[in-house]
Amino acid sequence: SSELTQDPAVSVALGQTVRITCQGDSLRSYYASWYQQKPGQAPVLVIYGKNNRPSGIPDRFSGSSSGNTASLTITGAQAEDEADYYCNSRDSSGNSVVFGGGTKLTVL
Amino acid sequence: EVQLVESGGGLVQPGGSLRLSCAASGFTFSSYWMSWVRQAPGKGLEWVANIKQDGSEKYYVDSVKGRFTISRDNAKNSLYLQMNSLRAEDTAVYYCARDGGRGFINWFDPWGQGTLVTVSS
Repeated sequence: SSELTQDPAVSVALGQTVRITCQGDSLRSYYASWYQQKPGQAPVLVIYGKNNRPSGIPDRFSGSSSGNTASLTITGAQAEDEADYYCNSRDSSGNSVVFGGGTKLTVL
Repeated sequence: EVQLVESGGGLVQPGGSLRLSCAASGFTFSSYWMSWVRQAPGKGLEWVANIKQDGSEKYYVDSVKGRFTISRDNAKNSLYLQMNSLRAEDTAVYYCARDGGRGFINWFDPWGQGTLVTVSS
């Protein structure tokens, strides 16, 4: 299996841009997907694949990837974006799935 | 509306068993891989297992291999997780999720609301 590493916590001023990163060897072969989880709620998919947003996800959320690092960018962060964010991808075997440890985003 | 509803969680003693269920609606259940993902209290997400559309392929995280069994009944639009030999470290909210994408992409959407499993004496 493989691991995905995320910074435990990131903060951003209201209206500014923030990038949340996810690192792992599996990301050299597989795309990352990103989830937003607010306290007491189930995770919600916000980005999948190269840079795809499910219906209903604001366009301030975007994804990118380079080498072994995937990034989730929020352009113009809003107060409601304060949440935990998780990345995931297939593991190196291609059959199992791994998640990053999560990043707690605080909007100041 | 696409919806997943889990049930079957509860308090169980170490070494005990529990069967979780997930009822799917609003989409063609038999066309999708499905997964279980868990989250221990105050911790991150951990993928547990997934199952192919016809049940012919199943994969598990190493920590549950030999103890947990994922299954599905496409006629009932239902996903199951049989959990045996439960340990304290299995305590978590268990989510059912539709497992999308294949090949280079994997995603989970939507997720159920989760069911809490507590393993304690």
